[in-house]
Amino acid sequence: AQSVSQHNHHVILSEAASLELGCNYSYGGTVNLFWYVQYPGQHLQLLLKYFSGDPLVKGIKGFEAEFIKSKFSFNLRKPSVQWSDTAEYFCAVNAGTDKLIFGTGTRLQVFP
Amino acid sequence: NAGVTQTPKFQVLKTGQSMTLQCAQDMNHEYMSWYRQDPGMGLRLIHYSVGAGITDQGEVPNGYNVSRSTTEDFPLRLLSAAPSQTSVYFCASRMSDYNEQFFGPGTRLTVL
Repeated sequence: AQSVSQHNHHVILSEAASLELGCNYSYGGTVNLFWYVQYPGQHLQLLLKYFSGDPLVKGIKGFEAEFIKSKFSFNLRKPSVQWSDTAEYFCAVNAGTDKLIFGTGTRLQVFP
Repeated sequence: NAGVTQTPKFQVLKTGQSMTLQCAQDMNHEYMSWYRQDPGMGLRLIHYSVGAGITDQGEVPNGYNVSRSTTEDFPLRLLSAAPSQTSVYFCASRMSDYNEQFFGPGTRLTVL
C-alpha cells in the first residue's frame, strides 16, 4: 500500500530563513505528487504539483519542490520564509490508484 | 461556482447517535473523497468515489458509510457515533488523478 512520510513534524524559523520540508513516499511506479498548505482556520489549498517532466516544480508564493525518483522524495523548499508562511504543510501522493494519500503534515511557525 | 460545500460546520453528538455529513460540489468533478483530520495524524482517507454509483474504502472506513447517487453529492454517514470519531471532516473533489483536489471548509464533529 502506498504511504507518505513527513519526518519534520514541527519547524520553527525566523523570517528570511530558508525552508526545506521533507516528504518521502513508498511506491515504485509512476506517481503524482502534491504539496498542500493549510493556513490557520482555513481549509487546504494546493501549493504545487508534479506529474511528469522537469523534476523541479515551482508553485505559488515562491515555493518549489524537487522530485528525486531514486530517493522516493519530493521535498518542499523556499529560499526565504515570511511570517505569513506560518501554516501546516501536507505532502500527498497518488500512486496508480484513485486514492490521494496525505502525509501527517508539518507545522511551520515563522517568527518575525 | 460555490466549489465544495459542507454542512453542518459544527456538530455535537452523543455516543450511539447517527448522523449524515453533507457534501456537494458544483464543478462537475468525477472524484470525491472524505478525509478526517486529527492532530499529529494528518489527513486520513475514509471513503472515496470515482463517479456516480461507485464508491470504495480508504484508510479508515470503519464506522462510516457513503453513497454517490449523483455527481454533485457525496454524503458521509456515521452509523453509531463513538468518541473516537471526534475529528474535523473534510470533503474534497477533483476532476481526475491529474488535477488539483479542492477541499470544503470542513465539519468539526464532537462525540460525547
